[in-house]
Amino acid sequence: QKEVEQNSGPLSVPEGAIASLNCTYSDRGSQSFFWYRQYSGKSPELIMSIYSNGDKEDGRFTAQLNKASQYVSLLIRDSQPSDSATYLCAVNGRGNEKLTFGTGTRLTIIP
Amino acid sequence: EPEVTQTPSHQVTQMGQEVILRCVPISNHLYFYWYRQILGQKVEFLVSFYNNEISEKSEIFDDQFSVERPDGSNFTLKIRSTKLEDSAMYFCASSGGRLNQPQHFGDGTRLSIL
Repeated sequence: QKEVEQNSGPLSVPEGAIASLNCTYSDRGSQSFFWYRQYSGKSPELIMSIYSNGDKEDGRFTAQLNKASQYVSLLIRDSQPSDSATYLCAVNGRGNEKLTFGTGTRLTIIP
Repeated sequence: EPEVTQTPSHQVTQMGQEVILRCVPISNHLYFYWYRQILGQKVEFLVSFYNNEISEKSEIFDDQFSVERPDGSNFTLKIRSTKLEDSAMYFCASSGGRLNQPQHFGDGTRLSIL
């Protein structure tokens, strides 16, 4: 059983539009949720963290968390070609230090 | 901005040989991690380390693996007798706390087993 699920994509979005990335998780006791960006051949780079229900905004990025639905999302406004990457959803499970990653969603911004 | 540094960036080793991957975590962080990513697959947790001991490990982290903090700055992953399936990117990460703290990743070491 997969613990963190993401649509693998590819997701193609026109430049300047909003990109919406989604993630579901199976452990209802999960406490911390992260979005990482990973360019091809590079390491995961932290984009956003969210710990409580609702929205959290940081520049062009908004993370949304709904613990009742076990759902976390990332919105990227005014998408730029440099946003083209794989976006990884990662979750701290109940009492765990480890991050459990999804397979990632490959996002392509079309100029 | 402080960052996690890893060396070497690429390691090529014959099957059966021992390798040591090195990491320098962010200086004020106390929690250290190793992850691996096989080409085309997801990032997988290997081990977490705090206060000079392993705090959590995955089923991947079997007896061929070990971790050590030999001094105040380095954090190492040793693979004793490498197998072909150990070929992957190995990422070191560190965080300032156990929970509700983001983990920051190094650039990784690409390990190729021949």
